[in-house]
Amino acid sequence: GENVEQHPSTLSVQEGDSAVIKCTYSDSASNYFPWYKQELGKGPQLIIDIRSNVGEKKDQRIAVTLNKTAKHFSLHITETQPEDSAVYFCAASIRSNDYKLSFGAGTTVTVRA
Amino acid sequence: ETGVTQTPRHLVMGMTNKKSLKCEQHLGHNAMYWYKQSAKKPLELMFVYSLEERVENNSVPSRFSPECPNSSHLFLHLHTLQPEDSALYLCASSSDTWREFSVGTDTQYFGPGTRLTVL
Repeated sequence: GENVEQHPSTLSVQEGDSAVIKCTYSDSASNYFPWYKQELGKGPQLIIDIRSNVGEKKDQRIAVTLNKTAKHFSLHITETQPEDSAVYFCAASIRSNDYKLSFGAGTTVTVRA
Repeated sequence: ETGVTQTPRHLVMGMTNKKSLKCEQHLGHNAMYWYKQSAKKPLELMFVYSLEERVENNSVPSRFSPECPNSSHLFLHLHTLQPEDSALYLCASSSDTWREFSVGTDTQYFGPGTRLTVL
């Protein structure tokens, strides 16, 4: 099955700086890559996703890049704010025939004011 | 979070108790999921229901028993649990178009979870 590895496990950044989280996946057939943000006491919330026919996608301060050849994808948060502090999860799936989202272990992001 | 709701939010139970977790989605989706989230581990998929039919049972012990009476409701019945079953149990839903249109399942939306502690 699909194996998703996520790095780093913890990330501390100064407010206003950028944060980057990287994930690698093992199954070259994976074609859907969502990112979730989980705040304390809440369930994971989708913040951005990308499909394999696109190399980059941006939504305001958040961007995701995908390198299919290297089988890795990254989340970039620019101009970080204290409310960006949370646990972020990457995931991968084969949307054509699979119900499974394979998740990374998560990155705890702390934005220092 | 109002799209997918879960009750109770917190549950403490003994190993001999029987309890149930409830999930309800208000998004018009037709696929629902149970996940287990333990500290420092990736989310683990437990069960998947699509069009009220179980399509995935990810080698989950029989002390966990799911029930999906309709496309909006999902239950997880618990009995004779072990302390290592303590975790956050998350419900999710999505619009499953694969079984109807041979196009993949859509984005999963999560509820807030039930924090379960087994004594």
